[in-house]
Amino acid sequence: DADVTQTPRNRITKTGKRIMLECSQTKGHDRMYWYRQDPGLGLRLIYYSFDVKDINKGEISDGYSVSRQAQAKFSLSLESAIPNQTALYFCATHGRENTGELFFGEGSRLTVL
Amino acid sequence: AQTVTQSQPEMSVQEAETVTLSCTYDTSESNYYLFWYKQPPSRQMILVIRQEAYKQQNATENRFSVNFQKAAKSFSLKISDSQLGDTAMYFCAFTRYNTDKLIFGTGTRLQVFP
Repeated sequence: DADVTQTPRNRITKTGKRIMLECSQTKGHDRMYWYRQDPGLGLRLIYYSFDVKDINKGEISDGYSVSRQAQAKFSLSLESAIPNQTALYFCATHGRENTGELFFGEGSRLTVL
Repeated sequence: AQTVTQSQPEMSVQEAETVTLSCTYDTSESNYYLFWYKQPPSRQMILVIRQEAYKQQNATENRFSVNFQKAAKSFSLKISDSQLGDTAMYFCAFTRYNTDKLIFGTGTRLQVFP
């Protein structure tokens, strides 16, 4: 199973600051995802990548950008953070082929003041 | 577009009892996967159980089982012999066959009381 690592685990920042959340996985999997979790809304897909040259917008990509620096690394950036981007962010990669499963990192809690 | 609905924001159960969490979904696909994920206070997302739509047999994992009703587009999770460690948010999720781009419900917070 995939080992997904996210940094930072917690971050407090101010409105207008640029923030990068980093994700790496150790299994060499090609597909990676960024989700956002808000109370009462579940998890919603921000961006996903099927390989280094394939980046796709998800359901709520406005205000975010991503970078797939290598097969193992997928970073999420907030160019100018705003308070309604306060949320728990998850990175994920796929499990066994053709199972639909995702394996998640431990999450990055971001607070924008 | 596919949607997943969890109509119970909160549930509670006494230790050792059985509880059922509801999930309905909407899709025009015939092949897909359904999942239940658990999120304890540690906030880690943990896969509890998985169901393939083409399989009529309901999936079971130890104390966790599902009632999959494909025609009704219903996918409930039954937890038997509830334990304090089952206290968590539970998310129902859907994905089309040959993809792992999950669509999640809004979650059900389950509290297990001693």
